[in-house]
Amino acid sequence: DAMVIQNPRYQVTQFGKPVTLSCSQTLNHNVMYWYQQKSSQAPKLLFHYYDKDFNNEADTPDNFQSRRPNTSFCFLDIRSPGLGDAAMYLCATSRRGAGNTEAFFGQGTRLTVV
Amino acid sequence: AQTVTQSQPEMSVQEAETVTLSCTYDTSESNYYLFWYKQPPSRQMILVIRQEAYKQQNATENRFSVNFQKAAKSFSLKISDSQLGDTAMYFCAFMRGNEKLTFGTGTRLTIIP
Repeated sequence: DAMVIQNPRYQVTQFGKPVTLSCSQTLNHNVMYWYQQKSSQAPKLLFHYYDKDFNNEADTPDNFQSRRPNTSFCFLDIRSPGLGDAAMYLCATSRRGAGNTEAFFGQGTRLTVV
Repeated sequence: AQTVTQSQPEMSVQEAETVTLSCTYDTSESNYYLFWYKQPPSRQMILVIRQEAYKQQNATENRFSVNFQKAAKSFSLKISDSQLGDTAMYFCAFMRGNEKLTFGTGTRLTIIP
């Protein structure tokens, strides 16, 4: 019954080696978000898609990119991971428009940079 | 920009007791949504309760209820008859009508057997 699915759950990557995290949803929501959460901190929004419209947060480093090829899938690309990028990455979805919904979260991908 | 403040970094309470988590927010908007999310250790973030700002009645979900004071911009969560499974980080969150979700810094709640 999983509605927002993130793969992989755990990812280890080398310093500077590009890495891609994936997220899929079965809710047909028009908004998909990527959050970065470091230990014991609040999730920090990196960017979100409203349909195909990409919305980047002002303080998101250029090192972070995203793609949304269709409604169901969204990817987070980290072009050159640094040690400071080690974190939990959360994908979430919501429906925006008539009858807005709350955000539904995936289980997250824990990224380790070595 | 909207801000969400949770002034209690950590709380603990005995099992079966009642606990209240505080949250205040700052906005000039009149149409928005407020949420409490629960994040158990190493587990998924899940919604606990939701409140629409235009509704005066406080939301309730079983043992969970809120005290929404719109004028004071306050949105506290009350957990009644607390259970061991309530141990988690609790995040208060704000969403403007068509915008992103903004989280507070969280309250780590521990239920003591």
